[in-house]
Amino acid sequence: EDQVTQSPEALRLQEGESSSLNCSYTVSGLRGLFWYRQDPGKGPEFLFTLYSAGEEKEKERLKATLTKKESFLHITAPKPEDSATYLCAVQAGTGGFKTIFGAGTRLFVKA
Amino acid sequence: EPEVTQTPSHQVTQMGQEVILRCVPISNHLYFYWYRQILGQKVEFLVSFYNNEISEKSEIFDDQFSVERPDGSNFTLKIRSTKLEDSAMYFCASIMTADNEKLFFGSGTQLSVL
Repeated sequence: EDQVTQSPEALRLQEGESSSLNCSYTVSGLRGLFWYRQDPGKGPEFLFTLYSAGEEKEKERLKATLTKKESFLHITAPKPEDSATYLCAVQAGTGGFKTIFGAGTRLFVKA
Repeated sequence: EPEVTQTPSHQVTQMGQEVILRCVPISNHLYFYWYRQILGQKVEFLVSFYNNEISEKSEIFDDQFSVERPDGSNFTLKIRSTKLEDSAMYFCASIMTADNEKLFFGSGTQLSVL
């Protein structure tokens, strides 16, 4: 069964304190691994897609990396506006391209 | 930037009543989805829809649920007889083509079943 596990559940950082979020996954026929950001009461917002082990993507203070079993979202020198829930998701290359989400990591960045 | 539109933003209903949640996906997108998120829990896949038929559905999507694309723009989720446990945020999402897997989500409909 396709599964996505994220850790930690919650992370509290001081502004400027860098850290990483983890996503481990099992999926049959990985088509892509995604990172989304979700603010309270809103729909997930796309951040990155990673396709193969060794791939890296960057956007502002965020960098996503992928191995065969895990993905990491590195946050460098975070700011309070980075506070949100970060969701990891995997998409299998079957049927209607179903995307399965992890439970997310709630990030709190204090000024 | 084009966006997925969902209406209503909030829906309150009595247990046993039928509800229809509406979505207008991005116009040139071909794959459509419904997800739900119970408060404090993960985003859960319900159903995918392509070429006017269901491609895949989850165990949650039982006989009480149905989807329809009645015209060229709307995509609806119907729950025939709502239960208390159906209370959740329901998100509509779409993908442009099979070569572009990025999901575009709407802002959601908060369904409260009393």
